[in-house]
Amino acid sequence: QSVLTQPPSVSGAPGQRVTISCTGSSSNIGAGYDVHWYQQSPGTAPKLLIYGYSNRPSGVPDRFSGSKSGTSASLAITGLQAEDEADYYCQSYDSSLSGVLFGGGTKLTVL
Amino acid sequence: EVQLVESGGGLVQPGGSLRLSCAASGFSVSDNYMTWVRQAPGKGLEWVSIIYSGGGTYYADSVKGRFTISRDNSKNTLYLQVNSLRGEDTAVYYCARGADAGGMDVWGQGTTVTVSS
Repeated sequence: QSVLTQPPSVSGAPGQRVTISCTGSSSNIGAGYDVHWYQQSPGTAPKLLIYGYSNRPSGVPDRFSGSKSGTSASLAITGLQAEDEADYYCQSYDSSLSGVLFGGGTKLTVL
Repeated sequence: EVQLVESGGGLVQPGGSLRLSCAASGFSVSDNYMTWVRQAPGKGLEWVSIIYSGGGTYYADSVKGRFTISRDNSKNTLYLQVNSLRGEDTAVYYCARGADAGGMDVWGQGTTVTVSS
């Protein structure tokens, strides 16, 4: 089964840097399909945070950055702030599913 | 203002049907790909269906044959017909716009579907 694997949770103190990984396979990230990242606070709709691996939509702070390596992608958040506490999801396209794929999500806790 | 507003959710018995609507403003639903994404209580995001600007449609295996995505360009509205509902279809259903540059850049507020007897 095609999946994008994320750690269930990560945490960090205010001001620190955290990274969230998203591991895919040869039918999605490894095939060259873009990875996008979303932030979802409780009770709200997801918000596009990073598109095309490393691009930020207007209004997203440059504390958020994305990267890719092989069949994986990563989201990095520097200078952690309390407002960053949320769930984060990676998303790509999968050729074997002919459809969109989301990672399982990572809950970020700011200590 | 670019906006999506979903409606049509509710409580339905197993085996029942609903039609979810997603009214767009500030852009045309036919200009971009549009998707439905759902989130079961306490769970992550699950892609449900997509309709491309050219009209092609695709579905997650979990809903194939039961759900149908469509759009009405004259009403600038996206739809999801959900049939043969099961308990595991209970979720908040979001519609989202596919951005030209990638990702889904506009999301609705969600509409809740509860399948229970």
